Amino acid sequence: SYELTQPPSVSVSPGQTASITCSGHKLGDKYACWYQQKPGQSPVLVIYQDAKRPSGIPERFSGSNSGNTATLTISGTQAMDEADYYCQAWDSTTGVFGTGTKVTVL
Amino acid sequence: QVQIQQWGAGLVKPSETLSLTCAVYGGSFSGYYWTWIRQPPGKGLEWIGEINHSGGTIYKPSLKSRVTMSVDTSKNQFSLEVRSVTAADTAVYYCARGYDYGGREIYFDSWGQGTLVTVSS
Repeated sequence: SYELTQPPSVSVSPGQTASITCSGHKLGDKYACWYQQKPGQSPVLVIYQDAKRPSGIPERFSGSNSGNTATLTISGTQAMDEADYYCQAWDSTTGVFGTGTKVTVL
Repeated sequence: QVQIQQWGAGLVKPSETLSLTCAVYGGSFSGYYWTWIRQPPGKGLEWIGEINHSGGTIYKPSLKSRVTMSVDTSKNQFSLEVRSVTAADTAVYYCARGYDYGGREIYFDSWGQGTLVTVSS
């Protein structure tokens, strides 16, 4: 079965840039989405189709996808961005989520 | 603005059936993939499967033998059953709306509030 691997944790200082990677076999041939989940809350879509932001998502969230790796970048990270982040893609007709990354804003 | 409300039993005995339902308010029911996703305590998200408004289903292969999804278009509701549950099925279960933006490229843009289901005797 298809797997998506993320680093367990990423730490970032306020105002700096956080990059979260998502690795999977030929992931660049697929589209990746990213979800943000804060403690006790349902996930929220922050990026779809590799790099597009839904309405209401701040411009500091951006994405890219090439080769075997998709990347979510948070520029000018704010304390409110502290959360778990999950990538997601499709293996044919089956949805697959990444292992998740906890972003800590120090 | 679509809202999704979910409910169901929070405690299920081993070997019995887990049942959850979601209701969709404020938006169209057709044209979307109504999806179930779960998250074991302290762990990541797992896609369980989806159903469309016509009742067409796709399930995660490893769960397919135990899962049934159904839809009631008259009430804008969809449901999940997981049979023969074990402790490994303990999780927060989410329902979500899947939007296909092209060629089965689907993102989940609205989520229910989540229901913690514990499997225990």
